[in-house]
Formats: sequence, C-alpha cells, structure tokens
Amino acid sequence: DTAVSQTPKYLVTQMGNDKSIKCEQNLGHDTMYWYKQDSKKFLKIMFSYNNKELIINETVPNRFSPKSPDKAHLNLHINSLELGDSAVYFCASSQDRGPEGPQHFGDGTRLSIL
Amino acid sequence: RKEVEQDPGPFNVPEGATVAFNCTYSNSASQSFFWYRQDCRKEPKLLMSVYSSGNEDGRFTAQLNRASQYISLLIRDSKLSDSATYLCVVNPYMEYGNKLVFGAGTILRVKS
Repeated sequence: DTAVSQTPKYLVTQMGNDKSIKCEQNLGHDTMYWYKQDSKKFLKIMFSYNNKELIINETVPNRFSPKSPDKAHLNLHINSLELGDSAVYFCASSQDRGPEGPQHFGDGTRLSIL
Repeated sequence: RKEVEQDPGPFNVPEGATVAFNCTYSNSASQSFFWYRQDCRKEPKLLMSVYSSGNEDGRFTAQLNRASQYISLLIRDSKLSDSATYLCVVNPYMEYGNKLVFGAGTILRVKS
C-alpha cells in the first residue's frame, strides 16, 4: 500500500516534447508538493497545493503547470521539454500546510531529455 | 549565502564509530527543523524532527541552537545500514504555506 505514488518511475523523451507526471497519495493529507532534484542532488520545491488550491509557486518556468483535480492527486505537466529539465522529480504530501508536520515523499520520477 | 549549509563529506567511518553532522541555516525566522535520510536513488525519508530542547531516538540525537542558527545530528554505534546521505531541512514557515528548504546533504559511508 504505497502512501505517495508517482508514475511513471522513468521517463526518457526528446527535447521539445510535452509530458506529464502523475502523483497520488492515500494518506488523507491536505497538502501536496512537487520537488526537483538536479544532478548536484539539491532538492528544491517547485509547487505546493492545499486542498486543490495553489499556495506555493517558486520561480519555475511557465512550461511547468501543476494540476490538482482533487486533494489526493497532484499532476505535473511539462511543455516543450529542455535538456535542463533532466532531473528527478519528487511528489510529497503532508497533513496540513503548517510547519510542524513532516512530508512524505514518493519514490521519484527520473526524467531524461535526449 | 545558501539558506541551509552542510558539509557534503563524505564521512568515512568504521562500524561502531560515533559521527556528528552539522548544519547552519540563514533564516532566523525558521519555524521547524528536520533531518531526512536519502539512500542512493531513493526518496528522502524523515529521520527525526529537531526540537529546541534536543531530542533522541535510539542511536540518533539531534540538537538545535537557535541563537547560532545551527543544527546537529549525532549517530552513535554506526551500522553499515546507516550509510546514506543525511539532509538537513529547515521550514521557514510563511503565512501561506509549508515550505521545506533542503541542504545539499552530507554523505555517510560506514565500513566494516
């Protein structure tokens, strides 16, 4: 019973394509996140949604568009993929939007741009 | 200056050793603090929260010094299975949301 699940686990595609990554959590959490971990292993937040509402939008190119159809799902769509988009993308969730709670991560989507 | 700074290591230690990691953060208004662990090609997992009074969980002890904006993690009696990257994580809580800021991580290698 995976708590935070992402699909696909691996994504290899060509520059210029459009792709989506899906994320679902069965923890009943209200808040979900997308993080990017680049080749230098830095993990940085991209977006955060609370009950389907966008609450954090870091400086991310507008080619990246998150969508939350309900509070258990947060998908990430990427248009016109570029070489620099190659990274591992992690979805996460937490109980609420406050600072105390830990975040639970999915096992990542490894995106490689050819 | 990075928001969260850690010594990247690697720390190479023998089994049974005691090892300590340090971390500094720049935002004095930060609200909560954590240590996460990340194994190679895996997702980060919460190791422990860090409280002002310090806290201990088995072989792991975390300390927070708000005045110096400094966090530490002590691992006693290291096991081979402790080999991983340890991420210092700070939550500079903002009114609108819960945002974790990760350090680049400290690599620990425990050898037999």
